Amino acid sequence: NAGVTQTPKFQVLKTGQSMTLQCAQDMNHNSMYWYRQDPGMGLRLIYYSASEGTTDKGEVPNGYNVSRLNKREFSLRLESAAPSQTSVYFCASSDLAVSGNTIYFGEGSWLTVV
Amino acid sequence: KQEVTQIPAALSVPEGENLVLNCSFTDSAIYNLQWFRQDPGKGLTSLLLIQSSQREQTSGRLNASLDKSSGRSTLYIAASQPGDSATYLCAVIGNKLVFGAGTILRVKS
Repeated sequence: NAGVTQTPKFQVLKTGQSMTLQCAQDMNHNSMYWYRQDPGMGLRLIYYSASEGTTDKGEVPNGYNVSRLNKREFSLRLESAAPSQTSVYFCASSDLAVSGNTIYFGEGSWLTVV
Repeated sequence: KQEVTQIPAALSVPEGENLVLNCSFTDSAIYNLQWFRQDPGKGLTSLLLIQSSQREQTSGRLNASLDKSSGRSTLYIAASQPGDSATYLCAVIGNKLVFGAGTILRVKS
């Protein structure tokens, strides 16, 4: 059971470039999340998806877009990367019925924008 | 707006000590509270999940308690070991999922 899988693990971008972070879960969870983690700031929610076909903004959505492609996959896109988006990005999933709302995290994606 | 605070921000103890990490939250309308461990450069590993109707959960040397009415949770680590050194985060699950900033724990051998 792979759990939550994120790709890529590491990426360096130039300012203005675009990229998509991929996330997939194999636990049949309805809810999926994207967080960023910065030193001294903790984990901040970028976007979340309560179920397939729905997405909502979190605390820091500016500069990002998301797509809930199907129940398994939730991608995060940076349309025009900025140095302020240098961070570690985590995808997570949960489901009340499947796993009692326990949250499962991916291993993280380290993104540097130069 | 839910706010989650973890105290202390950092803690350094000798091996073998029992210790308590604290998590407080401002809105008691929560479904669950979950404690995580994060090692440097790694993702988050779930330690314990406490449902809102529960008072505590135990796993090995870890015990987590929840007092919804006072907006507090504690993570108790018994007989600490150097391998317990990590950052510990609590997450409050209500209408949204809100994390504390974490407690950095160092257990010295």
